[in-house]
Amino acid sequence: AQSVTQPDIHITVSEGASLELRCNYSYGATPYLFWYVQSPGQGLQLLLKYFSGDTLVQGIKGFEAEFKRSQSSFNLRKPSVHWSDAAEYFCAVRMDSSYKLIFGSGTRLLVRP
Amino acid sequence: EAQVTQNPRYLITVTGKKLTVTCSQNMNHEYMSWYRQDPGLGLRQIYYSMNVEVTDKGDVPEGYKVSRKEKRNFPLILESPSPNQTSLYFCASSPQRERGNEQFFGPGTRLTVL
Repeated sequence: AQSVTQPDIHITVSEGASLELRCNYSYGATPYLFWYVQSPGQGLQLLLKYFSGDTLVQGIKGFEAEFKRSQSSFNLRKPSVHWSDAAEYFCAVRMDSSYKLIFGSGTRLLVRP
Repeated sequence: EAQVTQNPRYLITVTGKKLTVTCSQNMNHEYMSWYRQDPGLGLRQIYYSMNVEVTDKGDVPEGYKVSRKEKRNFPLILESPSPNQTSLYFCASSPQRERGNEQFFGPGTRLTVL
């Protein structure tokens, strides 16, 4: 069965430090890949997505993610974290045969001043 | 403004009292879906709809019903809520033209069943 793993439940970084959130998926073919962010009390906002082509994708708010087929990974990165980035981040995949999103369990990002 | 709206945003109810959470989108999207979010489990799909009068079960449909009589609306019905349905619920919509299109999410409905 298809699945998405976000191995880090919580991550704490200092403001200005770099960030990498991990995401691994289990799927036979190349899925559609997404990263969403959920700020406290808010819905989910799309940060970026990957379908095909360049494996390094740029998103909003200075985020980027790299698709690595050999590792079945789609890790999210940001070179310099801002306090406003504190939120929960979800990786999601969608098979090419379905519209259903399969979500990881999320990673909560805390930012130290 | 293009958006997905949900009502109510917060609801506390008691076991067995029927309730409906409404979802409406103004983007003319064909695809709509309901998810529930629980700590440590991420979001799990409850039901989805590919278009008017077309609905299907997701991963956790037990205890829920949906209908899609109009393109813009996709209400979630709990006929006899139970405490294990206490959760944060999200409605989402997406255009059907391309499978890679993102899903747009509503602000969420936090439901507590006592």
